[in-house]
Amino acid sequence: DIVMTQSPDSLAVSLGERATINCMSSQSVLYSSKNKNYLAWYQQKPGQPPKLLIYWASTRESGVPDRFRGSGSGTDFTLTISSLQAEDVAVYYCQQYYSSPFTFGPGTKVDIK
Amino acid sequence: QVQLVQSGSELKKPGASVKVSCKASGYTFTSYAMNWVRQAPGQGLEWMGWINTNTGNPTYAQGFTGRFVFSLDTSASTAYLQISSLKAEDTAVYYCARGLYSSNWIDYWGQGTLVTVSS
Repeated sequence: DIVMTQSPDSLAVSLGERATINCMSSQSVLYSSKNKNYLAWYQQKPGQPPKLLIYWASTRESGVPDRFRGSGSGTDFTLTISSLQAEDVAVYYCQQYYSSPFTFGPGTKVDIK
Repeated sequence: QVQLVQSGSELKKPGASVKVSCKASGYTFTSYAMNWVRQAPGQGLEWMGWINTNTGNPTYAQGFTGRFVFSLDTSASTAYLQISSLKAEDTAVYYCARGLYSSNWIDYWGQGTLVTVSS
């Protein structure tokens, strides 16, 4: 199984500042022949189901604000929130869909400082 | 619009069974896979597996074999999760979640069903 890790476990950022979340996979999730990284990012607010933010590691889902950016390739990925807003307080999860089981990272909690 | 509407919360005793439903609307049910994801209280997301809504073939993650069964009623655009021989550690919110066949990221989630197992 591919093991997903995230860092940090939690972070607190001032409004308007940048938040950076890292995700690492135990093996590459890059499908070379398609040149696509099989990695998604989700946001989960308290009491709500998760919401898709990013797929193919860097493609923003329709309707997701452009302050959310996904980057990285192979085994190392980053979700950046360029200017944190109050409504971005949530737990963020990465997930690989390269091979079954499609494992999630443990999550990173983002709060306002 | 795409909706996945799950059945309501359940309180069950250890050893009992539960069946959670997930009714899909707003899209062609058999054109997308259906995933199941567990979230224990205060914990992260755990992918349980998925079911091919065309063939009915389920795939279970390790740890979700034996007592967990995915099934369908395609005529009703509904997916089901049945858990038998419930244990206290099965207490969790269970989500159904739509995924693409070609690349199984999850684009829509149900609202979640809380299953509580307590004597």
